[in-house]
Amino acid sequence: DQQVKQNSPSLSVQEGRISILNCDYTNSMFDYFLWYKKYPAEGPTFLISISSIKDKNEDGRFTVFLNKSAKHLSLHIVPSQPGDSAVYFCAAFGAGGTSYGKLTFGQGTILTVHP
Amino acid sequence: GAGVSQTPSNKVTEKGKYVELRCDPISGHTALYWYRQSLGQGPEFLIYFQGTGAADDSGLPNDRFFAVRPEGSVSTLKIQRTERGDSAVYLCASSLSGQIAGELFFGEGSRLTVL
Repeated sequence: DQQVKQNSPSLSVQEGRISILNCDYTNSMFDYFLWYKKYPAEGPTFLISISSIKDKNEDGRFTVFLNKSAKHLSLHIVPSQPGDSAVYFCAAFGAGGTSYGKLTFGQGTILTVHP
Repeated sequence: GAGVSQTPSNKVTEKGKYVELRCDPISGHTALYWYRQSLGQGPEFLIYFQGTGAADDSGLPNDRFFAVRPEGSVSTLKIQRTERGDSAVYLCASSLSGQIAGELFFGEGSRLTVL
């Protein structure tokens, strides 16, 4: 049972344009959501997060939007740069969990930004 | 070192053998996590240590998997009687306390191949 789903395995975008990565979840107990970025042969690195009490969080070129009623979140990257090319993972944490580090991850989306 | 260190980076073994994977977390981080990432999937939680004790081992798939952290720093993930399905990248992560979202720092992973 995949509780966090990233239905697009890959996304290709031109440099300077917007990248939109999507994520859906099924568990209504999730109340904190994160995005991680992963380069080949490296571990995932934290990018941005959002609490369920908000619907938007912005950090520089990165903005995460949360639609609780639709159980959907998205990551917007504007403008996209070639260095953003990586695998992006959506992750979620639920209330009552033992630690914020016990995350449920999606399958990942490979973003390629072309110069 | 400055980051989470995992050894070996690659391990090839035969079905039925015993394997140990080591994780050296960031100095001062009390929380340590093991995740497993299979091909085409996101990381999957295995176990969480707070100090020396396993605070949550609900992700360990079966009793062939065991992890220790005897002195509250280095951790070893042990897999007995390996099976081909155990082949994956095993990721270790650490954080300062386990109570602040997004502060998870991942190592580069140990790629295990069971022939």
